[in-house]
Amino acid sequence: AQRVTQPEKLLSVFKGAPVELKCNYSYSGSPELFWYVQYSRQRLQLLLRHISRESIKGFTADLNKGETSFHLKKPFAQEEDSAMYYCALLAGRRALTFGSGTRLQVQP
Amino acid sequence: EAGVAQSPRYKIIEKRQSVAFWCNPISGHATLYWYQQILGQGPKLLIQFQNNGVVDDSQLPKDRFSAERLKGVDSTLKIQPAKLEDSAVYLCASTLQREGNYEQYFGPGTRLTVT
Repeated sequence: AQRVTQPEKLLSVFKGAPVELKCNYSYSGSPELFWYVQYSRQRLQLLLRHISRESIKGFTADLNKGETSFHLKKPFAQEEDSAMYYCALLAGRRALTFGSGTRLQVQP
Repeated sequence: EAGVAQSPRYKIIEKRQSVAFWCNPISGHATLYWYQQILGQGPKLLIQFQNNGVVDDSQLPKDRFSAERLKGVDSTLKIQPAKLEDSAVYLCASTLQREGNYEQYFGPGTRLTVT
């Protein structure tokens, strides 16, 4: 069975500092990895997916199959990045397996 | 386009009572999911529908939970009888699942408190 691990419940940084939200997964096949974000009082929404290889709101994530990781990075954090971030894996029957989430707090 | 709609947004019930949640997915989305999100955890799949058929209900506690999607559009999730541990946010999501696009769109959720 697949599993997604986000080791940090809370990550607090200052505005302008680099951010790295960690995500590790276990899955025997070739997964599709996603990052979802939930801003305060908003619904869960897709931030980015590994197959797109794009940068959204300055965030990037690279799939490292050797380390089974999909860490989310941003070089300079902004206050509006404060939110709950979930790493998710799509495999098999096409339902997402989520990590437990990391709360990112960007202080002014 | 209109997003995934859910109702009610909040519900408080006593244990052993029953409760039902409703979800209307984005128009044209064939696949519908119900997730349970307990405080401090990520969403966990309860059931997945493709049109009006069940694809995966392996994690649905079938002794108390039931779900249906009769006409392949909106869906209801029912809990009967509720237990304290059912307190959670119930999320509905839908996806088009076409041409490799599996992006799931989530509703606002229903927050259930069982006392």
